[in-house]
Amino acid sequence: QKEVEQNSGPLSVPEGAIASLNCTYSDRGSQSFFWYRQYSGKSPELIMFIYSNGDKEDGRFTAQLNKASQYVSLLIRDSQPSDSATYLCAVAPGGSARQLTFGSGTQLTVLP
Amino acid sequence: EPEVTQTPSHQVTQMGQEVILRCVPISNHLYFYWYRQILGQKVEFLVSFYNNEISEKSEIFDDQFSVERPDGSNFTLKIRSTKLEDSAMYFCASSDGGGADTQYFGPGTRLTVL
Repeated sequence: QKEVEQNSGPLSVPEGAIASLNCTYSDRGSQSFFWYRQYSGKSPELIMFIYSNGDKEDGRFTAQLNKASQYVSLLIRDSQPSDSATYLCAVAPGGSARQLTFGSGTQLTVLP
Repeated sequence: EPEVTQTPSHQVTQMGQEVILRCVPISNHLYFYWYRQILGQKVEFLVSFYNNEISEKSEIFDDQFSVERPDGSNFTLKIRSTKLEDSAMYFCASSDGGGADTQYFGPGTRLTVL
């Protein structure tokens, strides 16, 4: 059974701070890793993806991947109240298999 | 910006009835997916579809579920005989199959089975 684990939170940070979200996965063969943001009652919205070890930056967001530790993280710099949402980690097996396995999400609240 | 669309946004049905959920994937995408999310739970994969056939399905996707691409734009999920436990948000997604093959999600259909 492939598992993706996230701390459910809630995680609260003050406006302007760095929010750090973590995710671990069980399938060592996983190839692609995604972070989605989901506002209450809405669909998952892609923030970024990563598939190589190391860091990947996109604006205020940085994804970090460590395949040896089976660990993915998302850093949000200069957090804004509009970043308040549930952040979903999703993992794809790679190759011809494309189904995403989602974590339960971490609820982030950015306090003004 | 191209986006996945879904209709209806909310469907209410009686237990045992058939429902069809509709999706229009992003036009140049080749892979199509259905996921569901029961209230307060994880997003769960149901099925993926490529080249007019199912490529992967989960154990949730049993004989009461079917998918179809009836024309060049629509992608449908049919539930033949709905159960109370089918009540959930159903999300359609699509991807272009290249690179990281990122999946883009539609707004979802909330299915309520009474």
